[in-house]
Amino acid sequence: EVQLVESGGGLVQPGRSLRLSCTASGFTFDDYAMHWVRQAPGKGLEWVSGISWNSGTIGYADSVKGRFTISRDNAKNSLYLQMNSLRAEDMALYYCAKGASGSYYYYFDNWGQGTLVTVSS
Amino acid sequence: EIVLTQSPGTLSLSPGERATLSCRASQSVSSSYLAWYRQKPGQAPRLLIYGASSRATGIPDSFSGSGSGTDFTLTISRLEPEDFAVYYCHQYGSSPHTFGQGTKLEIK
Repeated sequence: EVQLVESGGGLVQPGRSLRLSCTASGFTFDDYAMHWVRQAPGKGLEWVSGISWNSGTIGYADSVKGRFTISRDNAKNSLYLQMNSLRAEDMALYYCAKGASGSYYYYFDNWGQGTLVTVSS
Repeated sequence: EIVLTQSPGTLSLSPGERATLSCRASQSVSSSYLAWYRQKPGQAPRLLIYGASSRATGIPDSFSGSGSGTDFTLTISRLEPEDFAVYYCHQYGSSPHTFGQGTKLEIK
């Protein structure tokens, strides 16, 4: 059974940094692309960033480009999101999502339960 | 960036009825790389349809997807109580990935 467990969320002041992690199990992690998707309270889904199986293709939403960095450690079955210069509008539930193939250009067939990021002074 | 516009914003129907949800793209979606997800309150989204018309594992045949280019449709032929939720379309053929704003399917 595929499991994706996010961690690292919490309360952070505007302008500070936070690093999210997603630990995967139940599948061969290094065969699949991975993504971060967020959902602000009461709002819709917003794709944040994605990374192909070998980190060869990486993309970001314009809203986070230059501030967030996605990475993965295939030896540790883990996905990361380094978030710098956080803003109030970054406050959301952050989901880790598994791509259905190693390609960055694929749909998401499994999702974690999310980790909540709160940005407030 | 491809902008996806879903309509209607809210759809009020009764169990047993047929639901038709629309997703329109601001430019052609490459290779029909269009997916649909359902999100129930307090839960993560679940994949329903990929490639515009292929059902995901475990999804009943009451769900069907159609369309190409810029116009896509999700149809639920006979609504069950668990189908009342929010539905999102997602294009994954070009970067950045984008989602529609969602359609809320509510019980009439």
